[in-house]
Amino acid sequence: DTEVTQTPKHLVMGMTNKKSLKCEQHMGHRAMYWYKQKAKKPPELMFVYSYEKLSINESVPSRFSPECPNSSLLNLHLHALQPEDSALYLCASSQDSRNQETQYFGPGTRLLVL
Amino acid sequence: AQSVAQPEDQVNVAEGNPLTVKCTYSVSGNPYLFWYVQYPNRGLQFLLKYITGDNLVKGSYGFEAEFNKSQTSFHLKKPSALVSDSALYFCAVRALYGNNRLAFGKGNQVVVIP
Repeated sequence: DTEVTQTPKHLVMGMTNKKSLKCEQHMGHRAMYWYKQKAKKPPELMFVYSYEKLSINESVPSRFSPECPNSSLLNLHLHALQPEDSALYLCASSQDSRNQETQYFGPGTRLLVL
Repeated sequence: AQSVAQPEDQVNVAEGNPLTVKCTYSVSGNPYLFWYVQYPNRGLQFLLKYITGDNLVKGSYGFEAEFNKSQTSFHLKKPSALVSDSALYFCAVRALYGNNRLAFGKGNQVVVIP
């Protein structure tokens, strides 16, 4: 089973709201990723967690705050977002962070910031 | 740093005809190459990857890709396209001793005409 699940599927929030995106995998993977994707564009890496520790932060604004409570779960906390943050947010996981490992993606959360 | 070029924006092909989606890469050292497909309003779905060994890689849904080191290419192919293959296709590369980031191409929209 190569399933990564994400909730919610859709999210509409105002610029003053606080919300969270959730990602879960039960494949025993030890690396998890957050990507942002605009329409018809490739995904852009935001964060990488390896063995529950943040290993890469691609200079993402602090209004995005990742959290990895355990090896199966990854959260992205959102606060005071801007309309330009509207996008599809994809979670992915891989066996570990070695370069030959396949990243498996979830279906994404489509975020609209008003 | 590693990079990928997908030279065409859109590939149109008649149903039943062969489908080719082109990808060339640039990387220091040995590459790890991946193809993903994205259907509308969905996450990325892994199709196949090249790590080492046989240059012809077979993947899901009848797709295959050929690694050509001299031409630094990894073109995706399917002998007989289906209307259901209409989607956005991404080629991606990581390097053996790279920076842990998966570099995506810009994506190719494939339209299979009935």
